[in-house]
Amino acid sequence: GQQLNQSPQSMFIQEGEDVSMNCTSSSIFNTWLWYKQDPGEGPVLLIALYKAGELTSNGRLTAQFGITRKDSFLNISASIPSDVGIYFCAGLQYNFNKFYFGSGTKLNVKP
Amino acid sequence: NAGVMQNPRHLVRRRGQEARLRCSPMKGHSHVYWYRQLPEEGLKFMVYLQKENIIDESGMPKERFSAEFPKEGPSILRIQQVVRGDSAAYFCASSPRDNRNQPQHFGDGTRLSIL
Repeated sequence: GQQLNQSPQSMFIQEGEDVSMNCTSSSIFNTWLWYKQDPGEGPVLLIALYKAGELTSNGRLTAQFGITRKDSFLNISASIPSDVGIYFCAGLQYNFNKFYFGSGTKLNVKP
Repeated sequence: NAGVMQNPRHLVRRRGQEARLRCSPMKGHSHVYWYRQLPEEGLKFMVYLQKENIIDESGMPKERFSAEFPKEGPSILRIQQVVRGDSAAYFCASSPRDNRNQPQHFGDGTRLSIL
């Protein structure tokens, strides 16, 4: 299957700091999604991106679909304790018609 | 995660038994996807189904695993003769149409433990 490299694997930050994480691939993707997963629960969709260069915000979250279509990043501004969790990127290629998931970025926020 | 219902939330089986995991998609969704997640890892695609059809089962082991999505009722992921390595969280997702421009919405998963 396609490989999505998500980084960093984990982050320890102070409350109020900004956070940035990204996903890269050697392949082109048609859609990028960002999910957050809390312990014991399923992933919850945060942001969906459909066009190269697209920049979309959802509250304190901003995500971009890279111009090369091979990457995407997610920024969280002014982090708060409830931002703690694992963030996953997912990329879709039309010809394969399924999403490939990154291995996740585990975010820890110190109050 | 309101909408996609998975049950049971936790399932314990002994080696050699069968495990049946159920998924009811969101209302109006006719496409179901099953994923497997090991601790500290991402989601691995297993199978994609529409009503009464398996569209893509390329991520599902050829033996002991099967999936169905009947015309009526939930989608079922069935694991026969379970082994310790089957212990994982199994997530179901649904979408109203195929993947193109239709994000998947996930259930809260079934945590399968094999004794």
